[in-house]
Amino acid sequence: DVKVTQSSRYLVKRTGEKVFLECVQDMDHENMFWYRQDPGLGLRLIYFSYDVKMKEKGDIPEGYSVSREKKERFSLILESASTNQTSMYLCASSIIPNWDASTDTQYFGPGTRLTVL
Amino acid sequence: AQSVTQLGSHVSVSEGALVLLRCNYSSSVPPYLFWYVQYPNQGLQLLLKYTSAATLVKGINGFEAEFKKSETSFHLTKPSAHMSDAAEYFCVVSLSYNTDKLIFGTGTRLQVFP
Repeated sequence: DVKVTQSSRYLVKRTGEKVFLECVQDMDHENMFWYRQDPGLGLRLIYFSYDVKMKEKGDIPEGYSVSREKKERFSLILESASTNQTSMYLCASSIIPNWDASTDTQYFGPGTRLTVL
Repeated sequence: AQSVTQLGSHVSVSEGALVLLRCNYSSSVPPYLFWYVQYPNQGLQLLLKYTSAATLVKGINGFEAEFKKSETSFHLTKPSAHMSDAAEYFCVVSLSYNTDKLIFGTGTRLQVFP
């Protein structure tokens, strides 16, 4: 089974702190994603990565950055946390099966609930 | 641009009753459509997906969904609800040639009463 793990289930930080959220996948997947989940808004894509050291902005990248130094690890960084970044953060990974999208699936981690005070 | 609309943020049913969660999509190209489920305190997992093969798609845990192009709908159903079905369900659309860019609906929380 594919396993996507996130370093913390719950995190409480103060405004202005630098925050690191870590995600690790164990299936040698090419793609990794960071989403935030807010009530009534569903999931929104923050950043994604197709390969090591490659990153692309999603729909809401402002206030975030990412790092992918190794294929299995994708980090989300909040340079200076703000209260409006209080949310559930979900990491996901998927393969690129030669663009055969009918067989691709995103696999999600359990999420990190971040509270910024 | 692709989008999905889930009708009803909360749905409540009795155990043993029919589950119907509604989803309508808009897409300028043939879509791929998915339902993901999120159980309490867990990440999302794929329930089922439509990728232009059979229009009636069967998923895990007895769920199924039917792609209706004329109605631009992809409603999720289950004939008989179980208490364990209580969760949040997301309808998702993607471009048919690349499922890595997923557009999520706002979610429907299903409650099941004994």
